[in-house]
Amino acid sequence: QVQLQESGPGLVKPSQTLSLTCTVSGGSISSGGYYWGWIRQHPGKGLEWIGNIYYSGSTYYNPSLKSRISISIDTSKNQFSLRLSSVTAADTAVYFCARDRRDTFGAVVPFDSWGQGTLVTVSS
Amino acid sequence: QTVVTQEPSLTVSPGGTVTLTCASSSGAVTSAYYPSWFQQKPGQAPRAVIYSTSNKHSWTPARFSGSLLGGKAALTLSAVQPEDEADYYCLLYYGGTRVFGGGTKLTVL
Repeated sequence: QVQLQESGPGLVKPSQTLSLTCTVSGGSISSGGYYWGWIRQHPGKGLEWIGNIYYSGSTYYNPSLKSRISISIDTSKNQFSLRLSSVTAADTAVYFCARDRRDTFGAVVPFDSWGQGTLVTVSS
Repeated sequence: QTVVTQEPSLTVSPGGTVTLTCASSSGAVTSAYYPSWFQQKPGQAPRAVIYSTSNKHSWTPARFSGSLLGGKAALTLSAVQPEDEADYYCLLYYGGTRVFGGGTKLTVL
């Protein structure tokens, strides 16, 4: 059973860069067929997809955030990371990491495993 | 950017049936969008319940079913239980990028 755990600072100053890491256990991050994603949830609001990365390093990003985000992967540590630059109070949210895969028939199976989420507050 | 729309809130009686829908601003939702559904209870991470329109995860209760209905993706809950009270989000796949719906708050009353 794969498990995901987010880690990183809970408080980031405006204009700085938010950096979070997701550590995957119970499975290899470089197993073929899996994408790894970031999702966030503003307080009291809905879910927002941030982006996904494949073990090879190929990425998909939310167009509305694309200019500020970077997702990377470290297969040696079984981790993937999110960097969000030039943050403002509007980036205050709970950030989740999750696993994305294809089933045996090639169907997309998005986010079948999630981390517990970590609250990041942007404030001076 | 594409907007995915869900009913903001729905209420259902215990034992009843309710259908939640998911529409795309880019047109009719088809199986090519691999519609999926997530349940989220307060203070918890979301949990996937349906993927690729109608496929259930191993943990998905049998009373949950997914379909396409009138150009939208749909999640139907039958014989609703009190524990089904939660927020429900759909997710549509646009060739690599994904968009969540705004969510439906389901009240069991």
